[in-house]
Amino acid sequence: GENVEQHPSTLSVQEGDSAVIKCTYSDSASNYFPWYKQELGKRPQLIIDIRSNVGEKKDQRIAVTLNKTAKHFSLHITETQPEDSAVYFCAASTSGGADGLTFGKGTHLIIQP
Amino acid sequence: GAVVSQHPSWVICKSGTSVKIECRSLDFQATTMFWYRQFPKQSLMLMATSNEGSKATYEQGVEKDKFLINHASLTLSTLTVTSAHPEDSSFYICSASGRAGANVLTFGAGSRLTVL
Repeated sequence: GENVEQHPSTLSVQEGDSAVIKCTYSDSASNYFPWYKQELGKRPQLIIDIRSNVGEKKDQRIAVTLNKTAKHFSLHITETQPEDSAVYFCAASTSGGADGLTFGKGTHLIIQP
Repeated sequence: GAVVSQHPSWVICKSGTSVKIECRSLDFQATTMFWYRQFPKQSLMLMATSNEGSKATYEQGVEKDKFLINHASLTLSTLTVTSAHPEDSSFYICSASGRAGANVLTFGAGSRLTVL
């Protein structure tokens, strides 16, 4: 089955700097890669996703890149703000959508004032 | 759009009792609902996938007789933890995908279960 590795487990950056979280996946048939943000004690929220026919997608300060050859995808957050502090999960599926999502272990992002 | 309601948000029960958690899609028809378990500071672990009107598909290692899942309608799925034990204490989260969500996952707010 699919295996999703996520690094780092904890990331601390100064407010205003950029943060990058990386994930690798094992199943070359994976074609859907969402990213979720989970604040303490709350539900995960989809922040951005990318499909395998696209190499990069951007939404304001958030961007995701996908390298299908290397089987890795990354989340980039620019101009970080205190409200970006949360746990971020990457995920992958072969269904093109929500079915069969395998999650990474999560990255605790800490924004230092 | 695409709102998923889950309740109770927290529940405390005695060992040996059963607890039911409900997951509702409020503004769309959820053809598929998923149940996850999350331990503190850990990732979401898929327990089972349920499709409306059919039996749930459980992940390896999840006891289907202990975690009963019912998906009787396109807007409601329930998870019943039977004969709960302290090791069942955890954060349980449901999610749903369906026609309004364009196969994008929407999560419930989660239910924190504490078994004494």
